[in-house]
Amino acid sequence: NAGVTQTPKFQVLKTGQSMTLQCAQDMNHEYMSWYRQDPGMGLRLIHYSVGAGITDQGEVPNGYNVSRSTTEDFPLRLLSAAPSQTSVYFCASRTYGGTNEKLFFGSGTQLSVL
Amino acid sequence: LAKTTQPISMDSYEGQEVNITCSHNNIATNDYITWYQQFPSQGPRFIIQGYKTKVTNEVASLFIPADRKSSTLSLPRVSLSDTAVYYCLVGDSGGYQKVTFGTGTKLQVIP
Repeated sequence: NAGVTQTPKFQVLKTGQSMTLQCAQDMNHEYMSWYRQDPGMGLRLIHYSVGAGITDQGEVPNGYNVSRSTTEDFPLRLLSAAPSQTSVYFCASRTYGGTNEKLFFGSGTQLSVL
Repeated sequence: LAKTTQPISMDSYEGQEVNITCSHNNIATNDYITWYQQFPSQGPRFIIQGYKTKVTNEVASLFIPADRKSSTLSLPRVSLSDTAVYYCLVGDSGGYQKVTFGTGTKLQVIP
């Protein structure tokens, strides 16, 4: 079982460039989310989705766009990268509406913006 | 989600039992308490979840007093590989949406 798969693992961008971080899960989870983690800090929620076609903002949404066209995929787009977006990005998924829910995380994408 | 408070860091020697306490004074009736573990350069992973009293699995135990305003994660006989950051989350298991993490507790296990 693949679980939550994130690509790429590493990426270097120049200021102003755009890119998409990919996230896919094969567990048929309704809920998916994106976090960023800066050195020595906890995880901060960027955007989340409770199903295909439904997305909402988290704690730090500025500079990021998301869409959810399928249950499996939840890409995160940086339209114009800034050095402040240098961070490690984690995608997570879980079931929604049940009991004993737990988040499953991907292995992360380390992004550097120069 | 209810706000949680944890110690920023803890040190422990190998072989000792480690207890990490989380305060959540505003916990709601439907809220569950969930703990995650994060190793460097990895995403967090689920450790244990509970609602009241005590829960035990192969990794840890979770103690929750009757008033549920705090919880304690207990790691028996820690080893160097238990060095990680531990996060306490409180939320309605019925479908809370904005799942937020605090800064967690950084546990350093010393040889």
